[in-house]
Amino acid sequence: EAGVVQSPRYKIIEKKQPVAFWCNPISGHNTLYWYLQNLGQGPELLIRYENEEAVDDSQLPKDRFSAERLKGVDSTLKIQPAELGDSAVYLCASSPPGSTYNEQFFGPGTRLTVL
Amino acid sequence: ELKVEQNPLFLSMQEGKNYTIYCNYSTTSDRLYWYRQDPGKSLESLFVLLSNGAVKQEGRLMASLDTKARLSTLHITAAVHDLSATYFCAVDNNNDMRFGAGTRLTVKP
Repeated sequence: EAGVVQSPRYKIIEKKQPVAFWCNPISGHNTLYWYLQNLGQGPELLIRYENEEAVDDSQLPKDRFSAERLKGVDSTLKIQPAELGDSAVYLCASSPPGSTYNEQFFGPGTRLTVL
Repeated sequence: ELKVEQNPLFLSMQEGKNYTIYCNYSTTSDRLYWYRQDPGKSLESLFVLLSNGAVKQEGRLMASLDTKARLSTLHITAAVHDLSATYFCAVDNNNDMRFGAGTRLTVKP
């Protein structure tokens, strides 16, 4: 079974440029998460989707960040414009429907460097 | 607000020794997770603890949960170099998953 797929794995951009990250969850997983992980820290939730609906986006900085999951499968996270402080690893995770304990499966992440 | 604190944040230990990592959290929860992360890699699920008194073991790692004390421990027995990684605990409060800052473990020969 394929795991969570993310691309690109690495991205270097200049500040004020836009950037987008893509995530394909494990097949059949209806819940999808985007996390931000700063160096030396644990992941912090940005947004959670149940199918195509964003059910928790309270931690998403909506002035510059946006996300979509149009068909309830893969998802895109966008930053426009990027700032220096956005340099971090962006992790995508998914979990299956009906899970009694919400175990999440993480992708390899996209490491963003903003210059 | 749910807060999760791990200690120590850095741990250097000799092979063959035992040690415990602690995870404290601030609000009631009955779901606690331990993850492992190798440098440049993603998080790998180690344990899911669902009830007070739960204990799970896999190889040289054993995790336990005390919901009354809001404390989980990850015990390492007879450490080996392959255990070097960063270990995160995470607490789920109504689908709001909060992670600790992680414990960076280095096992030296």
